Amino acid sequence: AQSVTQLGSHVSVSEGALVLLRCNYSSSVPPYLFWYVQYPNQGLQLLLKYTSAATLVKGINGFEAEFKKSETSFHLTKPSAHMSDAAEYFCAVQGGGADGLTFGKGTHLIIQP
Amino acid sequence: GAGVSQSPSNKVTEKGKDVELRCDPISGHTALYWYRQSLGQGLEFLIYFQGNSAPDKSGLPSDRFSAERTGGSVSTLTIQRTQQEDSAVYLCASRPRDSHYGYTFGSGTRLTVV
Repeated sequence: AQSVTQLGSHVSVSEGALVLLRCNYSSSVPPYLFWYVQYPNQGLQLLLKYTSAATLVKGINGFEAEFKKSETSFHLTKPSAHMSDAAEYFCAVQGGGADGLTFGKGTHLIIQP
Repeated sequence: GAGVSQSPSNKVTEKGKDVELRCDPISGHTALYWYRQSLGQGLEFLIYFQGNSAPDKSGLPSDRFSAERTGGSVSTLTIQRTQQEDSAVYLCASRPRDSHYGYTFGSGTRLTVV
């Protein structure tokens, strides 16, 4: 069975600073990996996905993530945080529930002015 | 439609009442998923539909929960005799048959049981 661990339920960074949200996965097969963002009272929006092509994946809003098989990690980064990045971020792996998604518990990103 | 539509967006119900939550997926998406998002718990898989059949109901938390899908389109999640612990956001997602990663999520239904 697949699983996802997101380190840090809350992460606080200053505006303009580097954003790093950590995600580690467990999978018995080569995984598909995803990062979603959720703004208050909204559904999930796909930021980026890894589907076994390039290990460095670029997404929307300046975010990117690197798949590292040796570390079973898929950390999300953004070089310079913006106030509008404040949201809940979910890492997910495909494999749960008939190739549905298994999610981490989420990381709440706080941007300090 | 252009996206996954869920209704109602908010529902407040009294403990013990039954509720129905609706999901209208993107036209042509054969796979449909229900998830529950509880405070501090992330997203929990509930049930998966392929067409009108539900090959995986493993995530339904109790027999008070049921779901159906008709015409390969709209799905309804029903919670009977609601309890306070059922309070959560219920999210629906759909995906085309031939895409393993083309999930689209709705905005969810926020259920509050008082």
